[in-house]
Amino acid sequence: EAQVTQNPRYLITVTGKKLTVTCSQNMNHEYMSWYRQDPGLGLRQIYYSMNVEVTDKGDVPEGYKVSRKEKRNFPLILESPSPNQTSLYFCASSLKRGLLTTEAFFGQGTRLTVV
Amino acid sequence: AQTVTQSQPEMSVQEAETVTLSCTYDTSENNYYLFWYKQPPSRQMILVIRQEAYKQQNATENRFSVNFQKAAKSFSLKISDSQLGDTAMYFCALILPFTQGGSEKLVFGKGTKLTVNP
Repeated sequence: EAQVTQNPRYLITVTGKKLTVTCSQNMNHEYMSWYRQDPGLGLRQIYYSMNVEVTDKGDVPEGYKVSRKEKRNFPLILESPSPNQTSLYFCASSLKRGLLTTEAFFGQGTRLTVV
Repeated sequence: AQTVTQSQPEMSVQEAETVTLSCTYDTSENNYYLFWYKQPPSRQMILVIRQEAYKQQNATENRFSVNFQKAAKSFSLKISDSQLGDTAMYFCALILPFTQGGSEKLVFGKGTKLTVNP
């Protein structure tokens, strides 16, 4: 089954304790990205990757890191989480066809609470 | 900058009736995709329908259809014969091609919470 898998689904952590949210896709998609969803703000892009070893900042990258060592994996790293990073996070992947990409396939979401 | 605006934070409809969710967007590009995503209480993001900007024909998927007005930059979603399972947050989104500047990303509206009442 084609899917994007995020782990964990829920996470409660303390300020300053490094954490990683994993994301893996089995569709051989080149493009992957991370979004955060906050009430009243919709979804905003954090980082994206156009292929292995190619990553760049989205709209709200502060406080986050990513890596893309393999095509299928795109982990999101919070080196020193703060309460303002409490949010719902989504990983997404998409396939580029020609000049346009197809729709994004989303993971199940990770509810992160930083206390 | 590209923006997507959903002017209706919340809507409700009776089961079996029809409802239309509004979306307007702003981009200077000529080639792009528009999407409607559904987010039920499970939080999963589910693609409802997709429209390619260069296609004049409005997209349709079963009970879901769009009214795409490119000149007006409008992209509304019509849900016919509403069902209880349609209760969800609906997001309108715009995606631009890689080669036409900026990062390739989905730009989302803030969402419309739809409740279908029995």
